[in-house]
Amino acid sequence: DIRMTQSPSSLSASVGDRVTITCRASQSVSDYLNWYQQKPGKVPKLLIYAASSLRSGVPSRFSGSGSGTEFTLTITSLQPEDFATYYCQQTYTSPYTFGQGTKLEIK
Amino acid sequence: EVQLVESGGGLVQPGRSLRLSCAAAGFIFDDYAMHWVRQVPGKGLEWVSGVSWTSDSLRYADSVKGRFTISRDNAKKSLHLQMNSLRVEDTALYYCVKDFRAGSASYVFGHWGQGTPVTVSS
Repeated sequence: DIRMTQSPSSLSASVGDRVTITCRASQSVSDYLNWYQQKPGKVPKLLIYAASSLRSGVPSRFSGSGSGTEFTLTITSLQPEDFATYYCQQTYTSPYTFGQGTKLEIK
Repeated sequence: EVQLVESGGGLVQPGRSLRLSCAAAGFIFDDYAMHWVRQVPGKGLEWVSGVSWTSDSLRYADSVKGRFTISRDNAKKSLHLQMNSLRVEDTALYYCVKDFRAGSASYVFGHWGQGTPVTVSS
């Protein structure tokens, strides 16, 4: 199985900050990498697919980059509604594994 | 608007069975692969199983292979997960999930139901 490792596991930031979350795969997943946001008590939402494609309706302050084994999710100018847990997921091969999550908290 | 409503969860003893269902609305159901993803409360996400729109491709996580069976009824716009030989470690919130792309399964999870809880305990 491909292991997905996110760093950091938790992160404190302030409104207006720029933050970057990293996701590393144990082997190459090409660009088959997706990012989800989950707020407390809510279901996950797809933000970015294919490493860098922004889902329609997702604010442009979210962006993704990377390929192979290293990927990043960047949020520029954090908004109050962005404080949540973020998960990466590879869809290169079954089983379609997720990272352990990065909890983004308000400083 | 896409709607996915799960049902069938509950408390069950280890070794017993449970059948989850998902009623879909708001999209052309038989155009999309469908999936089950689970989450232990307060923990991360685990893909469980997926089925292509034609049901010719069924995939399972190793942790459930041989015990769980995914199926769909396109006429009734429903998705099911038959869970046999349940274990304590199967305890989780089970989400019904619609594939992001029409046609071939991408395993990118575009829309999620609210989930149905499954508790396996003696």
